[in-house]
Amino acid sequence: EPEVTQTPSHQVTQMGQEVILRCVPISNHLYFYWYRQILGQKVEFLVSFYNNEISEKSEIFDDQFSVERPDGSNFTLKIRSTKLEDSAMYFCASQDRAGNQPQHFGDGTRLSIL
Amino acid sequence: DQQVKQNSPSLSVQEGRISILNCDYTNSMFDYFLWYKKYPAEGPTFLISISSIKDKNEDGRFTVFLNKSAKHLSLHIVPSQPGDSAVYFCAASYGNYGQNFVFGPGTRLSVLP
Repeated sequence: EPEVTQTPSHQVTQMGQEVILRCVPISNHLYFYWYRQILGQKVEFLVSFYNNEISEKSEIFDDQFSVERPDGSNFTLKIRSTKLEDSAMYFCASQDRAGNQPQHFGDGTRLSIL
Repeated sequence: DQQVKQNSPSLSVQEGRISILNCDYTNSMFDYFLWYKKYPAEGPTFLISISSIKDKNEDGRFTVFLNKSAKHLSLHIVPSQPGDSAVYFCAASYGNYGQNFVFGPGTRLSVLP
């Protein structure tokens, strides 16, 4: 069964450094998402992406965050200057079409900021 | 801002019995609801969904019930199996275009052999 893959599984970065989290969504899907889950807290929406542009973003997704689909397969989340509070699990998800459809999640990247 | 609530952080059930997980929501705009299961070190896995035009949806051992007037949904697992032990998240959304999901805090289900 097709799946969403994320790399790396664990990223350790010094505070203030840039980090790029990578995702390969399911190949025929059109809608892409990033969520995060801080330890012990809820899964929170960050951003949705369709047709090479951001559809919606949350308050968390400030100017330090950006997303890109640099080619036909990858979907990346960049954090420009990481802060301690960016430490979390980051999940990528994809969805095949609009409307009431489930999103399919990758296994996440654990980001640890030192 | 707790738009989606799961008031039981944990639930223990004997193997073979029914597991009932509950979820409440506050935003009457939500029109699509889902349950996800999550094992440690894995991402959420989609289980079952229901749109607001229905009040019940079944898939094998899993049934989701929606009570719109009470803004409440539940997931029934019958019979429960040890492999069902995981964290279960309720999620909700509205709109037709690239909608984000709002997740509840999750309920940890333990199915005891």
